[in-house]
Amino acid sequence: SAVISQKPSRDICQRGTSLTIQCQVDSQVTMMFWYRQQPGQSLTLIATANQGSEATYESGFVIDKFPISRPNLTFSTLTVSNMSPEDSSIYLCSVVPLTGMNTGELFFGEGSRLTVL
Amino acid sequence: AQKVTQAQTEISVVEKEDVTLDCVYETRDTTYYLFWYKQPPSGELVFLIRRNSFDEQNEISGRYSWNFQKSTSSFNFTITASQVVDSAVYFCALSETLSSGSARQLTFGSGTQLTVLP
Repeated sequence: SAVISQKPSRDICQRGTSLTIQCQVDSQVTMMFWYRQQPGQSLTLIATANQGSEATYESGFVIDKFPISRPNLTFSTLTVSNMSPEDSSIYLCSVVPLTGMNTGELFFGEGSRLTVL
Repeated sequence: AQKVTQAQTEISVVEKEDVTLDCVYETRDTTYYLFWYKQPPSGELVFLIRRNSFDEQNEISGRYSWNFQKSTSSFNFTITASQVVDSAVYFCALSETLSSGSARQLTFGSGTQLTVLP
């Protein structure tokens, strides 16, 4: 298993500002993903964070709005840029541990709950 | 493309009742994994079970049991003798190989809000 720490756990932001969420894992992992969960909704994959290269974004998500970094095997950041109230969501970091590569099992952080006013 | 359907949006039961949460999936892959996650009000996602596409044996873990029926593409979850602490949103998810073939991603159902009343 993997222990995942996300910061901040929650924040209230003003429209037009940007916020960077950090995800730190206690062990090296193969894959890191960022999901968004809008209020009362399911989880939607934003992007796959690739180590040392640009993230792979899902349809409907772009780098300018959600820049992602992954400088090493245990850390990633997601920035929500130029926020609007529609960005109010829980943002979740998830990882595939080295032992989980063949099963697809994901471990999740506790999420970062953002409210944009 | 893969798809996971949880037709039950909300379910309410009285404590000690049994409850079954339905999950139907669609995939073109022959190898895939199915999962159930629990999301309590605190927000974190708690892994409950993983089942691979080649293993159709039903599984029981305490008050939890899972019924995987490949013929109907269903992976239903039953809680026996429900308790108030079981109140949460439950997500069914499907894992497939990415187009690059190098990793997998989870597709989640819309979730079922279970409320267990005392």
